[in-house]
Amino acid sequence: EAGVAQSPRYKIIEKRQSVAFWCNPISGHATLYWYQQILGQGPKLLIQFQNNGVVDDSQLPKDRFSAERLKGVDSTLKIQPAKLEDSAVYLCASSLSGLYQETQYFGPGTRLLVL
Amino acid sequence: QQQVKQSPQSLIVQKGGISIINCAYENTAFDYFPWYQQFPGKGPALLIAIRPDVSEKKEGRFTISFNKSAKQFSLHIMDSQPGDSATYFCAASDSWGKLQFGAGTQVVVTP
Repeated sequence: EAGVAQSPRYKIIEKRQSVAFWCNPISGHATLYWYQQILGQGPKLLIQFQNNGVVDDSQLPKDRFSAERLKGVDSTLKIQPAKLEDSAVYLCASSLSGLYQETQYFGPGTRLLVL
Repeated sequence: QQQVKQSPQSLIVQKGGISIINCAYENTAFDYFPWYQQFPGKGPALLIAIRPDVSEKKEGRFTISFNKSAKQFSLHIMDSQPGDSATYFCAASDSWGKLQFGAGTQVVVTP
């Protein structure tokens, strides 16, 4: 079974530029998550989708971050404009139905460096 | 505000030794406590999880101990192997299912 796919794996941009990350969840998984993992910290949930609807985006900095999951499969996370403090690994995860205590499967992440 | 506090930040253990990682929480609504293992360049992967109705859960060389009254839980890695060298994250969630992660512990197992 293929895992969660993410691209690109690495991205270097200058502050104020824009960047987009792509995620393809495990086939059949209805729930998709985007996490931000700053160096030395645990992952922090940015947004959770159930199919193509948003369940939780309470920690998404909406003035600069946006995410969509068209057709309830792939998802993109965009940052515009980027700030230095956005340097982090952006992890995508998926789960079968988003039910309580269900295992989340993580992708390898996209490492972003903002200069 | 970090809802799950994890210690130590890092630890070095000899092959065959025991690694112990501790976590503490304040939110009494948390009722699911998973541990994730992360290797460099990879995403976290679920290792083992416990619910507060049991005090201990063992899977192979990995054991979670849970103390509900103290609001603490820990991961014990018995007979540590070099392949166990990774970063370990504790986490907690309530009935809404949103995971709150600890800051992580980097474990290095020396040959």
